[in-house]
Amino acid sequence: AQTVTQSQPEMSVQEAETVTLSCTYDTSESDYYLFWYKQPPSRQMILVIRQEAYKQQNATENRFSVNFQKAAKSFSLKISDSQLGDAAMYFCAYRGRTSGTYKYIFGTGTRLKVLA
Amino acid sequence: NAGVTQTPKFQVLKTGQSMTLQCAQDMNHNSMYWYRQDPGMGLRLIYYSASEGTTDKGEVPNGYNVSRLNKREFSLRLESAAPSQTSVYFCASTVAGTSSYNEQFFGPGTRLTVL
Repeated sequence: AQTVTQSQPEMSVQEAETVTLSCTYDTSESDYYLFWYKQPPSRQMILVIRQEAYKQQNATENRFSVNFQKAAKSFSLKISDSQLGDAAMYFCAYRGRTSGTYKYIFGTGTRLKVLA
Repeated sequence: NAGVTQTPKFQVLKTGQSMTLQCAQDMNHNSMYWYRQDPGMGLRLIYYSASEGTTDKGEVPNGYNVSRLNKREFSLRLESAAPSQTSVYFCASTVAGTSSYNEQFFGPGTRLTVL
């Protein structure tokens, strides 16, 4: 069975600095999707970035980028120029690409605090 | 385009009471999901519906039932609420299949307290 592990329950970063959130996963599949979701205090889950495993290039969305290491099964999120609005829970998620697979597996989350 | 909507947003029940959480999406998505979120445990899948007319158990189905009423609507029922079901419940939907555009879209959540 697939698993997703976020080993950092909480992280802090100074405003304007860079922070990296870690995520590792375990799977026997060769093709799959990975996601980072943000959950601010409003509770709304917001997609931050996604990566398709067959793509070598790391995904980037403005200040957010990932370091996808397929062999190491690692998918970390880097937030550059951190802003107060980045303070939230961040969840890493996995979904296999096998036909008929509809389940998403979530990590336990990392709470990010941004210090002014 | 409202996305995924959930009702109610908050609910307090007494042990043994029943209730139904409603979820609807207007994005013509095939797959719908119910999760619960508890502190330190992330999102755990309760039930999902891969397509209209099908439902399957997730990781924590005990004490819950679901109905995929049509393509738009997927409800979650607690027949006899227990304090262990105090949680935040999220409904989500996705296009499904092997499309690249397959992230889940989430509703705003329901905070349920069982006394």
